[in-house]
Amino acid sequence: NAGVTQTPKFRVLKTGQSMTLLCAQDMNHEYMYWYRQDPGMGLRLIHYSVGEGTTAKGEVPDGYNVSRLKKQNFLLGLESAAPSQTSVYFCASSWRYRETQYFGPGTRLLVL
Amino acid sequence: GESVGLHLPTLSVQEGDNSIINCAYSNSASDYFIWYKQESGKGPQFIIDIRSNMDKRQGQRVTVLLNKTVKHLSLQIAATQPGDSAVYFCAETGGQGTALIFGKGTTLSVSS
Repeated sequence: NAGVTQTPKFRVLKTGQSMTLLCAQDMNHEYMYWYRQDPGMGLRLIHYSVGEGTTAKGEVPDGYNVSRLKKQNFLLGLESAAPSQTSVYFCASSWRYRETQYFGPGTRLLVL
Repeated sequence: GESVGLHLPTLSVQEGDNSIINCAYSNSASDYFIWYKQESGKGPQFIIDIRSNMDKRQGQRVTVLLNKTVKHLSLQIAATQPGDSAVYFCAETGGQGTALIFGKGTTLSVSS
């Protein structure tokens, strides 16, 4: 039981490049979330999903897109990376909304 | 607005001491609270949770206390060890329809 896994662990992008972050969970959770964590800002919700095929915007969705084609996977896409998107990205999952969320190890993204 | 904050950004203790980390929440509608531990370079890890119909819950070496009258949450760690050094933050459910709200965290440093 791996819990929540994220790939890649670290990535460097140039401004304007695109990339996709992958999150996978093996706990059969319905809900999945993408957060970014910046110094002094805490965790901020980017997008979330309440089930396969459904997504919704969080607190800071601009510049990001998501997809949940399979229940166990939640993808976060950056179409045109900007230096302001330099951050640590965490994926999480939970049985129900507003219940305990279990986090992955994070992806460190540096946009130059 | 809704917010979850911690009284102190940093806390330094000696190995073997008991640690108390505090959290104030602002939304009286919150009915579920969680404490997370985040070690450097890792994702947040669930420690313990408590529902609003309880005022105390104990785990292994950890105790969470909830005071709904003053909207205060605390995490007590008994016999603190160097491995407890991390950032601790609380989360609350906020009002109906909101996602979990995370505080910014308290950094616990344990010296031996």
